[in-house]
Amino acid sequence: AIQLTQSPSSLSASVGDRVTITCRASQGISSALAWYQQKPGKAPKLLIYDASSLESGVPSRFSGSGSGTDFTLTISSLQPEDFATYYCQQFNSYPLFGGGTKVEIK
Amino acid sequence: EVQLVESGGGLVQPGGSLRLSCAASGFTFSSYWMSWVRQAPGKGLEWVANIKQDGSEKYYVDSVKGRFTISRDNAKNSLYLQMNSLRAEDTAVYYCARGGHYDILTGTDPFDYWGQGTLVTVSS
Repeated sequence: AIQLTQSPSSLSASVGDRVTITCRASQGISSALAWYQQKPGKAPKLLIYDASSLESGVPSRFSGSGSGTDFTLTISSLQPEDFATYYCQQFNSYPLFGGGTKVEIK
Repeated sequence: EVQLVESGGGLVQPGGSLRLSCAASGFTFSSYWMSWVRQAPGKGLEWVANIKQDGSEKYYVDSVKGRFTISRDNAKNSLYLQMNSLRAEDTAVYYCARGGHYDILTGTDPFDYWGQGTLVTVSS
């Protein structure tokens, strides 16, 4: 079965920082990867689909890249509302989420 | 406006049953794959099951196969999850989500809308 490994599991950053989160699949999944943001007590929110397509209404400071086994979510300039947990998710055979990356205030 | 509203969660003893419902509005329900995703307290997200638009295909995570049944009623714009033989490890917030399917011809169908979730607690 495919495994998704996110790194880091947590990070501390300041407002304005550029933040990069990586997601590695144990085997190639083409571009069938999505990224979600979840705030405490809330449902997840779709940010990126097909590895690099920005969901409607999501700020352009969020971007995704990669294909095959290595993927990246980048926040170009971290804003106060971006402190949350981020999950990658792949679709090969069945939907599978990565372990999550908690972005905390430095 | 797309809305997904779950109900039916609660406290149940190990071995017991529970039926979750999800009422959908604001979109053509019968045109979308639908899914259940859960999140144990303090843990990450886990896809549980999904169902095709007409209910002809259903898929489950291995840990719930034979115990949970996903279904839908397109006339009522509703999604269901029948959970039997519940275990402590099924304790989680259960989310109803639109999408959650990949087809080699049509591509990815991500979880683009989510309900607020309903808490299921399995404990004696």
